[in-house]
Amino acid sequence: DADVTQTPRNRITKTGKRIMLECSQTKGHDRMYWYRQDPGLGLRLIYYSFDVKDINKGEISDGYSVSRQAQAKFSLSLESAIPNQTALYFCATSDTTGYQETQYFGPGTRLLVL
Amino acid sequence: SQQGEEDPQALSIQEGENATMNCSYKTSINNLQWYRQNSGRGLVHLILIRSNEREKHSGRLRVTLDTSKKSSSLLITASRAADTASYFCATDAGGSNYKLTFGKGTLLTVNP
Repeated sequence: DADVTQTPRNRITKTGKRIMLECSQTKGHDRMYWYRQDPGLGLRLIYYSFDVKDINKGEISDGYSVSRQAQAKFSLSLESAIPNQTALYFCATSDTTGYQETQYFGPGTRLLVL
Repeated sequence: SQQGEEDPQALSIQEGENATMNCSYKTSINNLQWYRQNSGRGLVHLILIRSNEREKHSGRLRVTLDTSKKSSSLLITASRAADTASYFCATDAGGSNYKLTFGKGTLLTVNP
């Protein structure tokens, strides 16, 4: 089974709808991240969390919110979806042990907002 | 804003040739990592090089780091069609409020 899973894998929604993307991990990592990827723009950080009680805004948090329900779960919500939020969304995890930090990515959620 | 910037944006080579991708960054770093992404899938970590290291090898991968020029290169030797993917560098500036900053990536196509 995959260590980092995302649901749904694909989603089509309409402008103004509220949607939630979910991420679960079995790696036991403290840190979790949400990124979006747009063609030609690479990955941009939306929100990140270093433990259950910690939430931090990333580079492009406007229009998004997150919830860290447990160490293993980190969900991303679009309160009122708009077309320019059409993108590929990735969840990632990392642990806090050691000198260096490697991130482990989920398979992604492809979101289309009409 | 992106810290790392890969060059070239796209690279097309024949199987068996070597592929070199470059990454430049702007501010001091703790370490630099390279990730690979197959089309539409999640990124996979390839290799990490620390700021006090100059070169690192892993299988067919060779990474160099020049902190004076704020640049890194990723060399893939004897490329295979399966190496076709996008490659991203990611920098870690260190500190307590840690996060990686990714570049825009190099799309590598290896033709059989």
